[in-house]
Amino acid sequence: GQNIDQPTEMTATEGAIVQINCTYQTSGFNGLFWYQQHAGEAPTFLSYNVLDGLEEKGRFSSFLSRSKGYSYLLLKELQMKDSASYLCAVRPTSGGSYIPTFGRGTSLIVHP
Amino acid sequence: DADVTQTPRNRITKTGKRIMLECSQTKGHDRMYWYRQDPGLGLRLIYYSFDVKDINKGEISDGYSVSRQAQAKFSLSLESAIPNQTALYFCATSGEKLFFGSGTQLSVL
Repeated sequence: GQNIDQPTEMTATEGAIVQINCTYQTSGFNGLFWYQQHAGEAPTFLSYNVLDGLEEKGRFSSFLSRSKGYSYLLLKELQMKDSASYLCAVRPTSGGSYIPTFGRGTSLIVHP
Repeated sequence: DADVTQTPRNRITKTGKRIMLECSQTKGHDRMYWYRQDPGLGLRLIYYSFDVKDINKGEISDGYSVSRQAQAKFSLSLESAIPNQTALYFCATSGEKLFFGSGTQLSVL
C-alpha cells in the first residue's frame, strides 16, 4: 500500500519563500504529483516528478528524491492568492493500475 | 467549456434517498474516476474505470455504484444516502495527469 505524509498546516508571510514537504512509502514508484486546491474548488495540477532532482516552473519548484521517498514543493515570492491546500500524490506501480494516491494535503495560509 | 463537467454543483437530500451525480469529459481520455473529499482526510478513491467495459472498486466503494455510459460519461450513484456520505465529490479523468471536475457538494440530512 501507500503511505503519504505532509504537514497539516503552514503559515507564511507575503513575499517570503515556503517549502512544503512530502514523504512517502509506496509499492513501486511511477511519479509524484503536486496539486493546488483552493477552498471548495477542484484541485489543479502544479507539477509531476518522475526522476530525481529539481524542476522549476515560475514561482513554483518541485524536488524529488526517490531513494529517500521525499519530495518538496517550493513556493517563492508568496502572494495572498497562494493561500490554498497543496496535495501531494504518488503514483505506484503495484497492481498495475498506476492510480495516484493522495496525501491529506497541507493548508497554506499566507498573511500580509 | 470545462474539460470535466459535473452536475449538480450542490445537492441537499434526505437519508434513504437515491442520488445520482453525473460527470462528462471532453479530454478524450479512457480513464475516469470518482473521489470523495472530507475535511482532514484528503481525496479518497471510490470507483474507477479504464474504459467503457471496465469498472473497478476503489478504497471506499461501499454504499456507492457507478455506470460508464460512454467513454465521456461516468456517473456515481448513492443507492440509499446516509449522513456520513456528506462530502465533496470529484470526478476526474486522466492521461498522464488527473484533470478534475468542479466538484459536487452533497449534504445528506
